Amino acid sequence: EDQVTQSPEALRLQEGESSSLNCSYTVSGLRGLFWYRQDPGKGPEFLFTLYSAGEEKEKERLKATLTKKESFLHITAPKPEDSATYLCAVELGNTDKLIFGTGTRLQVFP
Amino acid sequence: DVKVTQSSRYLVKRTGEKVFLECVQDMDHENMFWYRQDPGLGLRLIYFSYDVKMKEKGDIPEGYSVSREKKERFSLILESASTNQTSMYLCASSMPGGWGEQYFGPGTRLTVT
Repeated sequence: EDQVTQSPEALRLQEGESSSLNCSYTVSGLRGLFWYRQDPGKGPEFLFTLYSAGEEKEKERLKATLTKKESFLHITAPKPEDSATYLCAVELGNTDKLIFGTGTRLQVFP
Repeated sequence: DVKVTQSSRYLVKRTGEKVFLECVQDMDHENMFWYRQDPGLGLRLIYFSYDVKMKEKGDIPEGYSVSREKKERFSLILESASTNQTSMYLCASSMPGGWGEQYFGPGTRLTVT
């Protein structure tokens, strides 16, 4: 069964304390992996697309990486405004659909 | 910037009522999607459309229908609302081939009593 699992479910960081969020997947064929940010009461906002193992994308304090079985979202020196739920999604190779993980809720305290 | 708007932020309906949720996007995207989001279950696809008057079932289409008469507008219809349809409903759109790069609306929190 195609599955996307994110860990941890929740993460509390002190401002400036770097960490990583994990998205592991077991799917029959990966066409792409996507990261989104979701603020409370809002819809998800697209962040990154990764297509192949070894690929990396960066945006401000965020860097996403991809291996054959998982993706990491690294957050360097986070600020309180980085607090949000981060979702990953996998596009299957044989169907036109995404499978979303349940997200990691990140809280960054000053 | 892509803008996706949804007709209501909050909606309260009674069991058995017919409910219409509307979504409009202003970037001429071919693909449009309806999801529901529930705690612990993540986003689940209800229906999607890749062209006017075209629709495809997602993972959980039971109890829902959709309509796409114009390219920019995609409506979700709950034929007879039930309490288990209480949820956050999210609409999204994307360009052809950009299936994973979706642009979401702000969501409608629907409560069915």
